[in-house]
Amino acid sequence: DQQVKQNSPSLSVQEGRISILNCDYTNSMFDYFLWYKKYPAEGPTFLISISSIKDKNEDGRFTVFLNKSAKHLSLHIVPSQPGDSAVYFCAASANGGFKTIFGAGTRLFVKA
Amino acid sequence: KAGVTQTPRYLIKTRGQQVTLSCSPISGHRSVSWYQQTPGQGLQFLFEYFSETQRNKGNFPGRFSGRQFSNSRSEMNVSTLELGDSALYLCASRGQSTNEKLFFGSGTQLSVL
Repeated sequence: DQQVKQNSPSLSVQEGRISILNCDYTNSMFDYFLWYKKYPAEGPTFLISISSIKDKNEDGRFTVFLNKSAKHLSLHIVPSQPGDSAVYFCAASANGGFKTIFGAGTRLFVKA
Repeated sequence: KAGVTQTPRYLIKTRGQQVTLSCSPISGHRSVSWYQQTPGQGLQFLFEYFSETQRNKGNFPGRFSGRQFSNSRSEMNVSTLELGDSALYLCASRGQSTNEKLFFGSGTQLSVL
């Protein structure tokens, strides 16, 4: 039962353009959402998060949008850079975050 | 502050054997979670320990077990290995505050032949 779904296995974007990564969830109890980035041979690293009481959170080039009614969130990267090429995981948790559920990941390619 | 340390980095085992993986969390972190990463499946939650107690468990068979010691270090054990257990096993630690983010180690790549 995949409670967090990332339906696009990969995404290719030109350098300087916007990258939009999408994530859907099914569990209405989730109240905290996170994005992690993973390079090969390394563990995932935290990128940005959003609480369910907000609909947008911004950190530099990264913005996460949350649409609770649609159970959908997205990560926008503007402008995209070649160093952003990595696998991006969407994650969600409920009730304090003691169990964080991850999606399958989306591999982003940013072409120079 | 040192990050999350996982040992060994690589392991090759044969079917039927058992394996133990080790994780040292960030100093001061008392919560340790384990995840299995396989291509196309993302990170599958195995279990989470806090102060030596298993607080949450994912949907994995009983062959997968873990424990946490008083110094917060954690071990994960897989018995009677199967080919499908080949994966990257990631350990993550976090602090005590609500919704604190996870800090991951580099993982142990397990290959079962």
